[in-house]
Amino acid sequence: GESVGLHLPTLSVQEGDNSIINCAYSNSASDYFIWYKQESGKGPQFIIDIRSNMDKRQGQRVTVLLNKTVKHLSLQIAATQPGDSAVYFCADVTRGGKLIFGQGTELSVKP
Amino acid sequence: NAGVTQTPKFQVLKTGQSMTLQCAQDMNHEYMSWYRQDPGMGLRLIHYSVGAGITDQGEVPNGYNVSRSTTEDFPLRLLSAAPSQTSVYFCASSYLSGNPAEQYFGPGTRLTVT
Repeated sequence: GESVGLHLPTLSVQEGDNSIINCAYSNSASDYFIWYKQESGKGPQFIIDIRSNMDKRQGQRVTVLLNKTVKHLSLQIAATQPGDSAVYFCADVTRGGKLIFGQGTELSVKP
Repeated sequence: NAGVTQTPKFQVLKTGQSMTLQCAQDMNHEYMSWYRQDPGMGLRLIHYSVGAGITDQGEVPNGYNVSRSTTEDFPLRLLSAAPSQTSVYFCASSYLSGNPAEQYFGPGTRLTVT
């Protein structure tokens, strides 16, 4: 069946360092993968997405890498800031447009 | 634009009570959906709608009903609340013809069933 899971539930980094959050998926028929950021007490906020026919996409301070061979997705955050502290979810968008969320990784940034 | 709004923010119910969680959006989005989020987990899809008069089930629809009489509103009904429905509920909306990944989420409703 479909599943999207994260390797690590928590990640602690020093301010200014780069962060890498990983995600594994099992549905090879997905069209999109998305990363969401969820701050405490708020709904998820879209960060970046990547189509299944791409292997890399860059945004402002964020890069998403997709490795379809091993069904692995990662989110890289450059020069991590305290405001980046949140829970990060990867999600798999099926052809019906439904989102299947992974468990989440809590990123903690130490000043 | 107010975006996606949800009411109430917090609610406590007794087992067996019923209630409706409200969701509204002012972006003229065709697609609306309801998710629940349990501690330490991602969001799971309960029900969704691709337009007024059209609804369908998601991953975890049991115990919940929805209707979509207007484009703007998508209420979620719990007919007989159970402790297993204690969760945070998020409503989301997006355009159908645009990027399906760009769903806008509301602030959530925290529901406790005792």
